[in-house]
Amino acid sequence: NAGVTQTPKFQVLKTGQSMTLQCAQDMNHNSMYWYRQDPGMGLRLIYYSASEGTTDKGEVPNGYNVSRLNKREFSLRLESAAPSQTSVYFCASIGASYTFGSGTRLTVV
Amino acid sequence: QKEVEQNSGPLSVPEGAIASLNCTYSDRGSQSFFWYRQYSGKSPELIMSIYSNGDKEDGRFTAQLNKASQYVSLLIRDSQPSDSATYLCAVNGQGTYKYIFGTGTRLKVLA
Repeated sequence: NAGVTQTPKFQVLKTGQSMTLQCAQDMNHNSMYWYRQDPGMGLRLIYYSASEGTTDKGEVPNGYNVSRLNKREFSLRLESAAPSQTSVYFCASIGASYTFGSGTRLTVV
Repeated sequence: QKEVEQNSGPLSVPEGAIASLNCTYSDRGSQSFFWYRQYSGKSPELIMSIYSNGDKEDGRFTAQLNKASQYVSLLIRDSQPSDSATYLCAVNGQGTYKYIFGTGTRLKVLA
């Protein structure tokens, strides 16, 4: 089915560990986004990529890096995880429609 | 001041009533406005988009936009218990690809 696929769905990290969240879309959308969602904070934009080869910071980019590998894939990397990065992460892509992935629930202990 | 503001709720309405959800935004140049519904533990799903002043209706949902006053609202007619969810307002700034979300309003429809 067409859509946005995020992996993994769940992850527990120890403080200081690194990991990459993967996102892929098969809708041929140009723009892709990474958000984090925390209780009472809504969805906050971490980074976005307006088109292949470009990335820009959002509201809360500190502690994260991104790679727009190709038109389909947009990954989010935590180089040294901190407990403050415990959150639910959503990837989204925009074309004729705005579609979210199913989310990654990340816990940093 | 947050860029997009919503009352966190919960907003409780009886089944069959009209639910009114409001959102204000700070960027006067904003051009695109969206309402999303998010059930607990799920990802947001798009309900309505609106781009020009006035009302836009889709089934039981009506989005209202007033750019002069910088607010956008969502009316849900004949509210059902299945409408109980968090409703997120999102705004796209002029000439940008940034979509900024409000914190969401939790709606409870009481059977």
